[in-house]
Amino acid sequence: AQSVTQLGSHVSVSEGALVLLRCNYSSSVPPYLFWYVQYPNQGLQLLLKYTTGATLVKGINGFEAEFKKSETSFHLTKPSAHMSDAAEYFCAVSGRNTGFQKLVFGTGTRLLVSP
Amino acid sequence: GAGVSQSPSNKVTEKGKDVELRCDPISGHTALYWYRQSLGQGLEFLIYFQGNSAPDKSGLPSDRFSAERTGGSVSTLTIQRTQQEDSAVYLCASRVQDISGNTIYFGEGSWLTVV
Repeated sequence: AQSVTQLGSHVSVSEGALVLLRCNYSSSVPPYLFWYVQYPNQGLQLLLKYTTGATLVKGINGFEAEFKKSETSFHLTKPSAHMSDAAEYFCAVSGRNTGFQKLVFGTGTRLLVSP
Repeated sequence: GAGVSQSPSNKVTEKGKDVELRCDPISGHTALYWYRQSLGQGLEFLIYFQGNSAPDKSGLPSDRFSAERTGGSVSTLTIQRTQQEDSAVYLCASRVQDISGNTIYFGEGSWLTVV
């Protein structure tokens, strides 16, 4: 069964600083990998996903993530944080060998951006 | 529709009452999911529909919870004899299969408060 670990329930950065949100997965076969963002009192919005091909994936709002099989990681980065990036971020996986089914989510990381 | 639609957006109910939450997926999406997000918790998978059948309902927390889907479209999540611990945001999602992989789209959620 797949599982996801997000290191750090809260990450604080200054505006303009690098954003790094960590995600590690556990799966016998590299899964499909996703990052979602949730703004206050809203649903989840897909930031980016890795299914196949290039391991560096670019998403919306300047975010990107790199799939590293050797490290079983899919960390999310953004070179320069904006105040509007303050939200909760969820990493998620779905099985590949049995076909795409449900998403298994990490516990989330709340990103705080200070002026 | 343009997105996944959920109703009601907010529901306050008395302990012991039954509630029904509705999800209208994106037109043509074959798969439909229900997740629960409790305060300070991550996203908990409840049930997954493919068409009108539910190949995975392993996340339903008790027999007070049930869900159905009719016509391969609208789904209803029913909670009987609600308890205070049922207070949460119930998120519905649906899936399309596109050329770049599988993408799950979430609704805004139904906020349930049991008093």
